[in-house]
Amino acid sequence: GAVVSQHPSRVICKSGTSVKIECRSLDFQATTMFWYRQFPKKSLMLMATSNEGSKATYEQGVEKDKFLINHASLTLSTLTVTSAHPEDSSFYICSAISGVSSYNEQFFGPGTRLTVL
Amino acid sequence: AQKVTQAQTEISVVEKEDVTLDCVYETRDTTYYLFWYKQPPSGELVFLIRRNSFDEQNEISGRYSWNFQKSTSSFNFTITASQVVDSAVYFCAPRGGSSNTGKLIFGQGTTLQVKP
Repeated sequence: GAVVSQHPSRVICKSGTSVKIECRSLDFQATTMFWYRQFPKKSLMLMATSNEGSKATYEQGVEKDKFLINHASLTLSTLTVTSAHPEDSSFYICSAISGVSSYNEQFFGPGTRLTVL
Repeated sequence: AQKVTQAQTEISVVEKEDVTLDCVYETRDTTYYLFWYKQPPSGELVFLIRRNSFDEQNEISGRYSWNFQKSTSSFNFTITASQVVDSAVYFCAPRGGSSNTGKLIFGQGTTLQVKP
């Protein structure tokens, strides 16, 4: 299957700082990428859908100014958590699909664990 | 919009037992897809199966099998002769076809613990 990478895998930062998480499709072009958030022992919550070259579509309740998403190329999407606070600590997972068909498989990255002190 | 219910929060079995994980979904789409993913302690999601709503045939892959019942909107997952390495969180996730956005809606997950 196709490979999706995330960087960093783990980050610890101080409250008030901004953190950028990268999501890359290594061997395919991802027209669409998704960002999920997962709290401990909880399900994955979709935060936003990111399409290359256009603005991300955020799910209800997700602050777009807090979680900045940029999908500048067909292989890279970034999530920036701005002015992070302890409640932003979570496991962030990205995924990518190639093409627009809902049938296309979604490939997941390994996740990034963010801890805000 | 899709919704999925995984009623079993946690299941504990002894190795070699068979175990079935339940999944009941709701969707307004006439065409949709159903997925199962495994999330081991490492956190990375592992794709297990994708099922088209038109294909109601049950599927078997090694020790894994899936029972798709469109009439009851269920897509249950059975592990035969469970092993310790099967211990993980399992997510069922429908995805709409008509919306064509590719969004996966995850259930709450079932934590499976297989004891030696």
